[in-house]
Amino acid sequence: EVQLVESGGGVVRPGGSLRLSCAASGFRFDDYGMSWVRQAPGKGLEWVSGINWNGRTTDYGDSVKGRFTISRDNAKNSLYLQMNSLRVEDTAFYYCARGIDGYNWNDYWGQGTLVTVSS
Amino acid sequence: EIVLTQSPGTLSLSPGERATLSCRASQSVKNNYLVWYQQKPGQAPRLLIYNTSNRATGIPDRFSGSGSGTDFTLTISRLEPEDFAVYYCQQYGSSPRTFGQGTKVEVK
Repeated sequence: EVQLVESGGGVVRPGGSLRLSCAASGFRFDDYGMSWVRQAPGKGLEWVSGINWNGRTTDYGDSVKGRFTISRDNAKNSLYLQMNSLRVEDTAFYYCARGIDGYNWNDYWGQGTLVTVSS
Repeated sequence: EIVLTQSPGTLSLSPGERATLSCRASQSVKNNYLVWYQQKPGQAPRLLIYNTSNRATGIPDRFSGSGSGTDFTLTISRLEPEDFAVYYCQQYGSSPRTFGQGTKVEVK
């Protein structure tokens, strides 16, 4: 069974940093690209970032480019999102999702971790 | 980036009725690379349709997708009680990937 479990969310001050993790199991992790997608409470989905199977190709949404960094450790079956210079508008549930055809679209999703940016 | 605009924002229908959801792109979606997701309250999104018209594994055939270029449609032929949810389109023809703002299908 495919499982994706996010962790690392919490409350952080504007300008601060946070690192999210996603533990993957039930599939061969290094066969798949991965994505981060976020959702502000009561709002729609926003694509944040994607990474290919070996970590050499990454992409970011315009609102996070230059502030967030996606990475992966295939030996640990883990995906990461380093978030710097956080803003109030980054407050959201952050979902980890398994990518198909790289990170083009997603067939399995985690349950999300909440990041709250507040002073 | 490609902006996806979904309409209507909310669709009020009764079980058994047909639902037609629209997703319009600000520019042509390369190779019609578009997917649809369903999301219920408190749950993660669920993949419904990929490559505009291909149903994902386990998705009932009452769900169908169509379209090309800038205009795409998700059709639910006969609404079941479990279909009342929010639906999102997402394009992957261009960088960055982008989502529409969602259409809520609610019980009339």
